[in-house]
Amino acid sequence: DAGITQSPRHKVTETGTPVTLRCHQTENHRYMYWYRQDPGHGLRLIHYSYGVKDTDKGEVSDGYSVSRSKTEDFLLTLESATSSQTSVYFCAITQGASGADTQYFGPGTRLTVL
Amino acid sequence: DQQVKQNSPSLSVQEGRISILNCDYTNSMFDYFLWYKKYPAEGPTFLISISSIKDKNEDGRFTVFLNKSAKHLSLHIVPSQPGDSAVYFCAASDKTGANNLFFGTGTRLTVIP
Repeated sequence: DAGITQSPRHKVTETGTPVTLRCHQTENHRYMYWYRQDPGHGLRLIHYSYGVKDTDKGEVSDGYSVSRSKTEDFLLTLESATSSQTSVYFCAITQGASGADTQYFGPGTRLTVL
Repeated sequence: DQQVKQNSPSLSVQEGRISILNCDYTNSMFDYFLWYKKYPAEGPTFLISISSIKDKNEDGRFTVFLNKSAKHLSLHIVPSQPGDSAVYFCAASDKTGANNLFFGTGTRLTVIP
């Protein structure tokens, strides 16, 4: 157990509304990641963070922003949700001191955009 | 373009027999490979990994084999158990920067009692 929680676990929203997903960790890990999982694509990286206020884009970052104002929380925001953002979102952390380490995942958030 | 590929979306195996899950990759810069297992409504769980300096890594019933010249890795589960039924994802990293992972599309393993 890597001490990761995600909230909410399920959310249904409408197109055009803003949505924020939260990833919370309790063990002071430096690196945190947001992925989305879709059929036929596996998991794809959206954004990641390598420290407080230090973030960077992943493979599928368009339409998403992130923030990390404290070590334990990594927020993913959809400024104006679209139906193509219906997905399952996973947060991950690495337990090592650098990014070159095994990633451990949270339980996921299922988001439906109507 | 998918840099990590799992060409078998599903696999069924009898309990007690060997399960072999395959994965191919295209990026020669990948140097660290992982397998994750995923149950429905849960996050992926780390199973086993291998560095590119090795060709085999074993952990109990799970063994991962890496063939760098073929850009191919496989996961062997022996003996297979019904609790192994899950979706298995192969992932790869080039260990640059923040160790971003590239995932395959997954193989659903069903172990038949």
